[in-house]
Amino acid sequence: DGGITQSPKYLFRKEGQNVTLSCEQNLNHDAMYWYRQDPGQGLRLIYYSQIVNDFQKGDIAEGYSVSREKKESFPLTVTSAQKNPTAFYLCASSRTGEGRQPQHFGDGTRLSIL
Amino acid sequence: GQQVMQIPQYQHVQEGEDFTTYCNSSTTLSNIQWYKQRPGGHPVFLIQLVKSGEVKKQKRLTFQFGEAKKNSSLHITATQTTDVGTYFCAGPLSSGSARQLTFGSGTQLTVLP
Repeated sequence: DGGITQSPKYLFRKEGQNVTLSCEQNLNHDAMYWYRQDPGQGLRLIYYSQIVNDFQKGDIAEGYSVSREKKESFPLTVTSAQKNPTAFYLCASSRTGEGRQPQHFGDGTRLSIL
Repeated sequence: GQQVMQIPQYQHVQEGEDFTTYCNSSTTLSNIQWYKQRPGGHPVFLIQLVKSGEVKKQKRLTFQFGEAKKNSSLHITATQTTDVGTYFCAGPLSSGSARQLTFGSGTQLTVLP
């Protein structure tokens, strides 16, 4: 079955610590995305990548970093510079970028501060 | 900046009643997409509308795209408890140097049995 796998499902971060959220897709999609969702709110775009070895900042990129070394993988690092990281993080992919194609989402990672 | 606005934010209905959520964009959209997120789950794609005035149906769900391609609606006839969740519209708006899917804030539907 094709899909998107996010891990871990739950993650706890200590003060001053960087943590990395994993996202892998086997849908052969070119574009991948990271969103942040706060309770009762919509999705806000953190970073996106339309092709391997290229990525762009979204609306709330400060305190986050990404890499796209392989088509299948788009890990997100939440750095210590992100002062309010507690949220639900969703990874998505689509065949092409620029909002022309439907996005497929992973099950998400819930990040909390210890 | 460019936005996608969605109303209402919350809606409680009795099972069997109808439900409608509305989506408005500050700019013309090339397409509009609708997603459903069940409580504790992730958004799942429902449908994409592309043409001006387009109407699409999925069983009890009816989706419309406005003539000016700046607004859209989702109507559910005779709601069931399985309809519970948050419904998001999304359209491609400018994000930096490119266009990316921008999501509305969603309408959270509660269906009372």
